[in-house]
Amino acid sequence: GQNIDQPTEMTATEGAIVQINCTYQTSGFNGLFWYQQHAGEAPTFLSYNVLDGLEEKGRFSSFLSRSKGYSYLLLKELQMKDSASYLCAVRGDSWGKLQFGAGTQVVVTP
Amino acid sequence: DAMVIQNPRYQVTQFGKPVTLSCSQTLNHNVMYWYQQKSSQAPKLLFHYYDKDFNNEADTPDNFQSRRPNTSFCFLDIRSPGLGDAAMYLCATSTFSGGRGSYEQYFGPGTRLTVT
Repeated sequence: GQNIDQPTEMTATEGAIVQINCTYQTSGFNGLFWYQQHAGEAPTFLSYNVLDGLEEKGRFSSFLSRSKGYSYLLLKELQMKDSASYLCAVRGDSWGKLQFGAGTQVVVTP
Repeated sequence: DAMVIQNPRYQVTQFGKPVTLSCSQTLNHNVMYWYQQKSSQAPKLLFHYYDKDFNNEADTPDNFQSRRPNTSFCFLDIRSPGLGDAAMYLCATSTFSGGRGSYEQYFGPGTRLTVT
């Protein structure tokens, strides 16, 4: 079957670093996405990985290992506004179509 | 600013009373998607349009229909809403040309549907 797993919740303090892991088992692979979703709002695109390795974008970095079916999103220098749900999504064997994980709720404390 | 707009943001309907949710985009994207998201769950794809071609997910109930009269607009019709259809409905758009690229999806703010 197809499965995307990520932790339910993580808590970290302002200024710290948090790493959100995502493991996936899908029938195909054409890219992995990370989205940020604040409560009651739409998901917003953060990053895209299709090749193995690290992609860095400011305070956010995303890593992919296709052989391990594994990705992580790294959030550095945490700010209070980073408190949100972070969704891992895989584009599998169908173009464009994404399968989402249930999201990881990150709580940033002062 | 180019964007994805959903109306209304909040919709209350009665059990069994048909309801239509709307989505419009100024991004000129050729693909539009409808997702259902329940509290603390992953967005679940209901269907998508690639230009005018409609693609239904196998597990989308027949109660859910969609229309895309032109590139900019897409509608979600729920023919006979049940209590289990209360959720956030998200519209998203993307481009797709068949070549390499991220083709990330851009989401609207969602419509929160309550069924009484």
